[in-house]
Amino acid sequence: AQTVTQSQPEMSVQEAETVTLSCTYDTSESDYYLFWYKQPPSRQMILVIRQEAYKQQNATENRFSVNFQKAAKSFSLKISDSQLGDAAMYFCAWGSARQLTFGSGTQLTVLP
Amino acid sequence: ETGVTQSPTHLIKTRGQQVTLRCSSQSGHNTVSWYQQALGQGPQFIFQYYREEENGRGNFPPRFSGLQFPNYSSELNVNALELDDSALYLCASSLWGLSTDTQYFGPGTRLTVL
Repeated sequence: AQTVTQSQPEMSVQEAETVTLSCTYDTSESDYYLFWYKQPPSRQMILVIRQEAYKQQNATENRFSVNFQKAAKSFSLKISDSQLGDAAMYFCAWGSARQLTFGSGTQLTVLP
Repeated sequence: ETGVTQSPTHLIKTRGQQVTLRCSSQSGHNTVSWYQQALGQGPQFIFQYYREEENGRGNFPPRFSGLQFPNYSSELNVNALELDDSALYLCASSLWGLSTDTQYFGPGTRLTVL
């Protein structure tokens, strides 16, 4: 079975600064995907970034980037130039065709 | 492009009752997955529907059942409600065969069981 671990229940960052959220996972499969989702107080789960496990190049989406270390089974999210609107619960997820396995989440606070 | 929608937004039931939650998939998507998110936790996979059949199931009892319709919309049914069923229920849609791995979520239905 797959497991996803987020060891930081809460993080805070000053507006315009950079923050990194950690995630580790465990799987015996070779073909999979990794995701970061954001869940603001509105509860809508929003896709932030996606990484294919077979790709060595780290994914980037504007201010969001990942550091994917396949051998270490590590998948961290870096948010640059943090904005007040980035405040939310962030979930790391492991994915196959059929299901996503989520971590327990990291609550990110952005300080003005 | 129409996103994933869910109804109702909130629901209150009593223990032992039955409930039906509804989901309309994003336009162009043919696969629907359901997740249960208890307060303070990450979502847990319940099951997935593709071509109107269950296509994978998580560790949930048979009283959790579902349907998918020809227009790809879906229902989640829960019988004999228990207090622990109180949670946010999330529906997600994807396109099987092209980018099945990427799931897009609806706003959720908050179920409270008293």
